[in-house]
Amino acid sequence: DAGVTQSPTHLIKTRGQQVTLRCSPKSGHDTVSWYQQALGQGPQFIFQYYEEEERQRGNFPDRFSGHQFPNYSSELNVNALLLGDSALYLCASSWDTTYNEQFFGPGTRLTVL
Amino acid sequence: GDSVTQMEGPVTLSEEAFLTINCTYTATGYPSLFWYVQYPGEGLQLLLKATKADDKGSNKGFEATYRKETTSFHLEKGSVQVSDSAVYFCALSDGGGDMRFGAGTRLTVKP
Repeated sequence: DAGVTQSPTHLIKTRGQQVTLRCSPKSGHDTVSWYQQALGQGPQFIFQYYEEEERQRGNFPDRFSGHQFPNYSSELNVNALLLGDSALYLCASSWDTTYNEQFFGPGTRLTVL
Repeated sequence: GDSVTQMEGPVTLSEEAFLTINCTYTATGYPSLFWYVQYPGEGLQLLLKATKADDKGSNKGFEATYRKETTSFHLEKGSVQVSDSAVYFCALSDGGGDMRFGAGTRLTVKP
């Protein structure tokens, strides 16, 4: 049973560019959440997707957007990259929006130069 | 809003020493509480959880008890190993997607 998978593993971009990160949830899960983890800090919630809609959003600007596909996989898009967007981006999946336990993927390390 | 405060690190212990990492929370409702572990270069792995007051979560020799009266969920292990070296995160969830994490505590175990 595959767990949560994310791609790519690492990514290097320059300021002003746009980036797309991808996530496939654990088998049987239909809810995907995205987190940003800056170096030396705990993960911060970006948003959650369920039934192809954004259900909940954290304190992140509109430059951060997402999408969920019918197969429950998800994308995180970040526009107009800033140096401060450099972080590990984690995807987590769960059975539904009310289920407490989330399973995390290995993350995508984004470096903005 | 809901939040988690955990003991700042880093923590350095000798092998077979006793480990305690403190975690306290603030929540308006009755959240579930979690400990996650992150090994170098990896994502988060669930270590243990507790969903209601007085529940004890346990896994791989680690334990934590959900204490509503002290709003705490301290992580303990009786005898740490070098392989336990990692960053440990305390987290809470009220059932929505917004899981709140502490800042993390880096543990280094020396042989």
